Amino acid sequence: GDSVTQMEGPVTLSEEAFLTINCTYTATGYPSLFWYVQYPGEGLQLLLKATKADDKGSNKGFEATYRKETTSFHLEKGSVQVSDSAVYFCALLGGYGQNFVFGPGTRLSVLP
Amino acid sequence: EAGVTQSPTHLIKTRGQQATLRCSPISGHTSVYWYQQALGLGLQFLLWYDEGEERNRGNFPPRFSGRQFPNYSSELNVNALELEDSALYLCASSLVASGGAGEQYFGPGTRLTVT
Repeated sequence: GDSVTQMEGPVTLSEEAFLTINCTYTATGYPSLFWYVQYPGEGLQLLLKATKADDKGSNKGFEATYRKETTSFHLEKGSVQVSDSAVYFCALLGGYGQNFVFGPGTRLSVLP
Repeated sequence: EAGVTQSPTHLIKTRGQQATLRCSPISGHTSVYWYQQALGLGLQFLLWYDEGEERNRGNFPPRFSGRQFPNYSSELNVNALELEDSALYLCASSLVASGGAGEQYFGPGTRLTVT
């Protein structure tokens, strides 16, 4: 079945450091890929998305490129801020729209 | 445009009781999803409703049930509550049940505490 794998957390960085959170997937068909963010005490918010191979999703300085050849959708940000501290979830919508699958989440802590 | 709303925000029940959680999707969205987020990170998929029908169900016992109303709002019922049911319950809505990007939009959640 469809699945999403994320790097283990927690990830702790200093402010202005470069961030990469790895995400790889297994899916049938041509899934859409998403990154969601959950700030402390809140629900999940859609951060960015990509619907086909080589698409780049971007928002709030975060980017991720849909790589079909490596089945990956790694999240990157050039300079993190304390306010980016949150849990990040990679997700896919696969199976011709029938199956929404979340990864286990990666907790990011950014220290001033 | 109003987002996904959930009620109540917090719910405290005792073991063996029943809990009812409610969700209103974004206007125009026909699909509603329920997830359980226990202590820690992961979201566990519970139920998916679309156009009033249950479309898919996660690996949860039958005492977790729900329904979707004609206005697309939804209700999650948990019977015979157990201590391990204590969690944040998240509802999400989506416009697309098949094809397209189909991103989900989440509500703030209901925090259920079972004592």
